[in-house]
Amino acid sequence: GAVVSQHPSWVICKSGTSVKIECRSLDFQATTMFWYRQFPKQSLMLMATSNEGSKATYEQGVEKDKFLINHASLTLSTLTVTSAHPEDSSFYICSAIGGGQPQHFGDGTRLSIL
Amino acid sequence: AQKITQTQPGMFVQEKEAVTLDCTYDTSDPSYGLFWYKQPSSGEMIFLIYQGSYDQQNATEGRYSLNFQKARKSANLVISASQLGDSAMYFCAMREGPTGGGNKLTFGTGTQLKVEL
Repeated sequence: GAVVSQHPSWVICKSGTSVKIECRSLDFQATTMFWYRQFPKQSLMLMATSNEGSKATYEQGVEKDKFLINHASLTLSTLTVTSAHPEDSSFYICSAIGGGQPQHFGDGTRLSIL
Repeated sequence: AQKITQTQPGMFVQEKEAVTLDCTYDTSDPSYGLFWYKQPSSGEMIFLIYQGSYDQQNATEGRYSLNFQKARKSANLVISASQLGDSAMYFCAMREGPTGGGNKLTFGTGTQLKVEL
């Protein structure tokens, strides 16, 4: 079946650094990718919707300059957390749809900012 | 108003028993889709089952079935013959608009299921 790969699965970095998370659709062309954030024991909150070749659409309250999203190809979207701070620590998870497939999720990235 | 409501923060079920996880939704769009995902402690989101608003029959996938009551706007997940490996968080989600529209999912708050011996 369809597979979405997300990398890295876990990252720890110092406050002030930028972190890039990749989301790849492995066996289908993802016309749309979504980025979610999840705090412990809470639901997934959509951050932005990313369509290939166009600017991402951010949800209300999400800083687009803080969370940079690039969807340069039909199989890859990246989320860059710029100048990360401890409050950005969270579980980030991407999903992708395309070719009539239901929305499939990556395995998520646990981000810890020290 | 909440678009997806899951009223059970936690549920316990004995192994081999069936369990129903509740989900109600709110939309004025005639075309929508309802999804259930399982999230184990490792974090990945596993797609379980899908029900389209125009589907005449309730969806079934192995031990999972979706009790779709359109007039009540409910889409409860039924897991039959529970297994220890079913212990996880379960999310109900809704897509408003037709399939292929690239529409986002709205998630409920989830139900933590624990299967006991």
